[in-house]
Amino acid sequence: DQQVKQNSPSLSVQEGRISILNCDYTNSMFDYFLWYKKYPAEGPTFLISISSIKDKNEDGRFTVFLNKSAKHLSLHIVPSQPGDSAVYFCAAGGSGTYKYIFGTGTRLKVLA
Amino acid sequence: DTAVSQTPKYLVTQMGNDKSIKCEQNLGHDTMYWYKQDSKKFLKIMFSYNNKELIINETVPNRFSPKSPDKAHLNLHINSLELGDSAVYFCASSRRQGEGEQYFGPGTRLTVT
Repeated sequence: DQQVKQNSPSLSVQEGRISILNCDYTNSMFDYFLWYKKYPAEGPTFLISISSIKDKNEDGRFTVFLNKSAKHLSLHIVPSQPGDSAVYFCAAGGSGTYKYIFGTGTRLKVLA
Repeated sequence: DTAVSQTPKYLVTQMGNDKSIKCEQNLGHDTMYWYKQDSKKFLKIMFSYNNKELIINETVPNRFSPKSPDKAHLNLHINSLELGDSAVYFCASSRRQGEGEQYFGPGTRLTVT
């Protein structure tokens, strides 16, 4: 049973436009959420996180939105750049569980 | 200077063999992890150690045995390798247990033939 789902395996966006990556979760006990970026032949790299007490967190071009009632989070990248082309994983965890559940990733391709 | 390093990067071996993957972090973190990414791209936690103590042990066959000689190292030994063990194995670390911001190694691609 996959508790964290990224239903879009891939996404293509023009350079300069907005990229929106989506993630859904099923476990209402999750209270901390993260996005990771992964380039080929490298490990995932932490990008941005959000706690369940917030509904938005921003870091430069990256913003994560959390909709707790819908159990949905999204990552917005504005403006998108070719260097953003990578696989993006969302992850979710709950207080005291000590582990995070990862989605299967969305491959973003930013076209120059 | 690599923060989390793994060796080897690639490992090709035959069924039934025993192999080890090594991981080292130079970040001074307390907690280390092993993840497995299978062919369907699921990235699943296998083990977590905090200050050399086993914290998380997911439903992993007991052919997999992690060992943490000190808090900077977490090795993974696999006995009697099977075809289904083929995957990319990632080591990661975090400052403390339960912290979501984790630093991953480059991965070890294991192929069992």
